[in-house]
Amino acid sequence: GQNIDQPTEMTATEGAIVQINCTYQTSGFNGLFWYQQHAGEAPTFLSYNVLDGLEEKGRFSSFLSRSKGYSYLLLKELQMKDSASYLCAVRDSNYQLIWGAGTKLIIKP
Amino acid sequence: ETGVTQTPRHLVMGMTNKKSLKCEQHLGHNAMYWYKQSAKKPLELMFVYNFKEQTENNSVPSRFSPECPNSSHLFLHLHTLQPEDSALYLCASSQARDGQETQYFGPGTRLLVL
Repeated sequence: GQNIDQPTEMTATEGAIVQINCTYQTSGFNGLFWYQQHAGEAPTFLSYNVLDGLEEKGRFSSFLSRSKGYSYLLLKELQMKDSASYLCAVRDSNYQLIWGAGTKLIIKP
Repeated sequence: ETGVTQTPRHLVMGMTNKKSLKCEQHLGHNAMYWYKQSAKKPLELMFVYNFKEQTENNSVPSRFSPECPNSSHLFLHLHTLQPEDSALYLCASSQARDGQETQYFGPGTRLLVL
């Protein structure tokens, strides 16, 4: 079967750096997405990786290794507003999005 | 503001009620999606419409009935639901069903079935 694994919950300190990992086993690969979802709100698009390597976008970066079936989302200079769930999703060979259950990130002062 | 709106935001209904969820996208997209999100579970894709044609129905019970009158509007008609159907129902849209499109989500309808 297809599945996406990511930690259920992580805690970090304001101003620090946190890395949220995502591993996947899918039938084919056509890109990996990261979304942010604040409680009670819509998931919002953060990043898209289709080639190996690091994509940087301000305080957020996303890394992909297709050979390892692995990605991470790196958040720098954490702010209280970064407290949210982070969803990893992979598009398979049929262009179906396979979703992880999300990682709840708690930021402490 | 993501350009995708959903109403109502919250809904409580009994198992014998009939209700409808509405989604509207203002992004000029051609594909629309219904997802179910339960606590600590991955998003479950329910239905996909591409250019107003339903292209996917992921073994969803018939008590959920989608309707897509045009590319901007999507409905989910609900009847004789079960308590386990309580969840957050998310609507999303994208430029097209295939390709490198990114999905944009609405805020969801929080549904409680009593």
